[in-house]
Amino acid sequence: QSVLTQTPSGSGTPGQRVTISCSGSSSNVGNNYVSWYQQLPGAAPKLLIFRDNERPSGVPDRFSGSKSGTSASLAIGVLRSEDEAEYYCAAWDDSLDGWVFGGGTKLTVL
Amino acid sequence: QGQLVQSGAEVRKPGASVTVTCQASGYIFFSYYMHWVRQAPGQGLEWMAYIDPRAGTTNYAQKFQGRVTVTRDTSTDTVYMKLSSLRYDDTATYYCSLMSSRDYWGQGTLLIVSS
Repeated sequence: QSVLTQTPSGSGTPGQRVTISCSGSSSNVGNNYVSWYQQLPGAAPKLLIFRDNERPSGVPDRFSGSKSGTSASLAIGVLRSEDEAEYYCAAWDDSLDGWVFGGGTKLTVL
Repeated sequence: QGQLVQSGAEVRKPGASVTVTCQASGYIFFSYYMHWVRQAPGQGLEWMAYIDPRAGTTNYAQKFQGRVTVTRDTSTDTVYMKLSSLRYDDTATYYCSLMSSRDYWGQGTLLIVSS
């Protein structure tokens, strides 16, 4: 059971906008920055969003992050076939003094 | 460009120990904590521990307390993660990562626990 809650799966068609949600508590999402990772099969996670809504260099601007209270979201503005992957949210947890992750959302591009 | 290079795959019997290494390069070793994250087959990501490379101080997830030890060698910019009393459910890929805006991850080390 993951500390952060994500919907296990989602889907969309190319060109569509999709949103992935992440729910936590006051000790993690509510009080600390949220990061989002994309993981392709057999690869290490790749950082898409840090500090709730900032993109590392090289990440397309169709990826965006937002947060309100103890919930966060990752939006993919124009879905592409190569976006089919697993997506994880993560946040520092003050009570646990460590990182906590969501269980992951498997995104399928139809 | 920085990188983290981990040691190769390991196979251990239940009850044994394993040490996974992570050598950092291309950035100032002391500037970022080093974290260990694992992923069981078909499962999600799980944070295990971190070390402050400068001070050598560590923090471990409660689940792994007493079984995991993280150390570092500042002469070689290498971090070590030792997991003891291995169980079948420790079978996973283990990653070192800065868990920061510097998105550096090791390539992963597969540990198989099998009798």
